Amino acid sequence: EPEVTQTPSHQVTQMGQEVILRCVPISNHLYFYWYRQILGQKVEFLVSFYNNEISEKSEIFDDQFSVERPDGSNFTLKIRSTKLEDSAMYFCASSEALRTGVFLVQPQHFGDGTRLSIL
Amino acid sequence: DQQVKQNSPSLSVQEGRISILNCDYTNSMFDYFLWYKKYPAEGPTFLISISSIKDKNEDGRFTVFLNKSAKHLSLHIVPSQPGDSAVYFCAASGDLSGSARQLTFGSGTQLTVLP
Repeated sequence: EPEVTQTPSHQVTQMGQEVILRCVPISNHLYFYWYRQILGQKVEFLVSFYNNEISEKSEIFDDQFSVERPDGSNFTLKIRSTKLEDSAMYFCASSEALRTGVFLVQPQHFGDGTRLSIL
Repeated sequence: DQQVKQNSPSLSVQEGRISILNCDYTNSMFDYFLWYKKYPAEGPTFLISISSIKDKNEDGRFTVFLNKSAKHLSLHIVPSQPGDSAVYFCAASGDLSGSARQLTFGSGTQLTVLP
């Protein structure tokens, strides 16, 4: 069964450094997402991406964050200058076309995440 | 942000019996609901979903019920198996803005199925 893959599984970075988290969504999916889960907290939405542009973003997704689809398969999340509070599990997700006809919404499928540790 | 709530952090059930996991939501704009299962060190795995035009959806051992008037949904697992032991997340989305649908997650319920 096709799956979302994320690399690396664990990233350790010094505070203030840039970090890039990588994701390969499921190949026929058109919508891409990043979520994060801080230890002990809920999974939180960061950003959605469709048709090569950001569709929605949360308040968490400030100017330090950016996303890119550099080629036909990868989807990346960049944090420009990491802070201690950026330490979290970061999950990438993808879904097929969302709405056709009266009502059809496809589920989002998640990767296994990247654990980001900021020192 | 308490738009999606799972009030039971944990649930223990005997193997072969029914597991019922509950979820409440407050945002009446939500119209699509999902359940995910999560094992340690893995991402959430999609289990089953339901749209607001239905009140029940069934897939094998898993059934999701939606009560829109009460803003409540539940996941039934029958019969429960030890391999079902995991954290179960309820999630919701709505046509709130934009073309993509962000998911709002509950805090999860740890299900333990005892052999």
